[in-house]
Amino acid sequence: EAAVTQSPRSKVAVTGGKVTLSCHQTNNHDYMYWYRQDTGHGLRLIHYSYVADSTEKGDIPDGYKASRPSQENFSLILELASLSQTAVYFCASSLGQNERLFFGHGTKLSVL
Amino acid sequence: GDSVTQTEGLVTLTKGLPVMLNCTYQTTYSPFLFWYVQHLNEAPKLLLKSSTDNKRTEHQGFYATLHKSSSSFHLQKSSVQLSDSALYFCALLFSNTNKVVFGTGTRLQVLP
Repeated sequence: EAAVTQSPRSKVAVTGGKVTLSCHQTNNHDYMYWYRQDTGHGLRLIHYSYVADSTEKGDIPDGYKASRPSQENFSLILELASLSQTAVYFCASSLGQNERLFFGHGTKLSVL
Repeated sequence: GDSVTQTEGLVTLTKGLPVMLNCTYQTTYSPFLFWYVQHLNEAPKLLLKSSTDNKRTEHQGFYATLHKSSSSFHLQKSSVQLSDSALYFCALLFSNTNKVVFGTGTRLQVLP
């Protein structure tokens, strides 16, 4: 079973502060994704990546940056956190080509 | 543009009854569809993925058939159980980029 590990599991941040969410996968998957989920709602794609040192914008990239320094690691960066970015963030990885996504356990971010 | 639509936000049923959750899509490429299930406080996990046109795919009592003629991939089960209560997402993979987008989700609530 593919392993995707997110850290931290939860975080409280202050408005205007910088937040970095980390994701690590151990299965040689090429594709990695960041989604946000608002309480009881759907998953919206923020950024994704198909190779190290390259990232692509998803559907809601504003206010977020992504970094893929290696095949295993994919970070999501909030340079200036805002109240509206309070959500649960999920990282996922995939082999691509109609293969399933493997999700991490999520990071609950509260911006105060 | 390419998209996936789930029309029901909440479906409430008594256990033992059949259920169908709707999923339709729009894409200019070959469609790859998935159903994911998310139980409370857990990460989403794969339930089903589409196969060839008009071929039924099944897992854990759930089944779905990709119908390109109607751009649909509805999820069905003949007899729901209490443990099926969860959030169900339909997802579309963009075959040219491997970007994966999710529908807004349908919450299935099964009553005793």
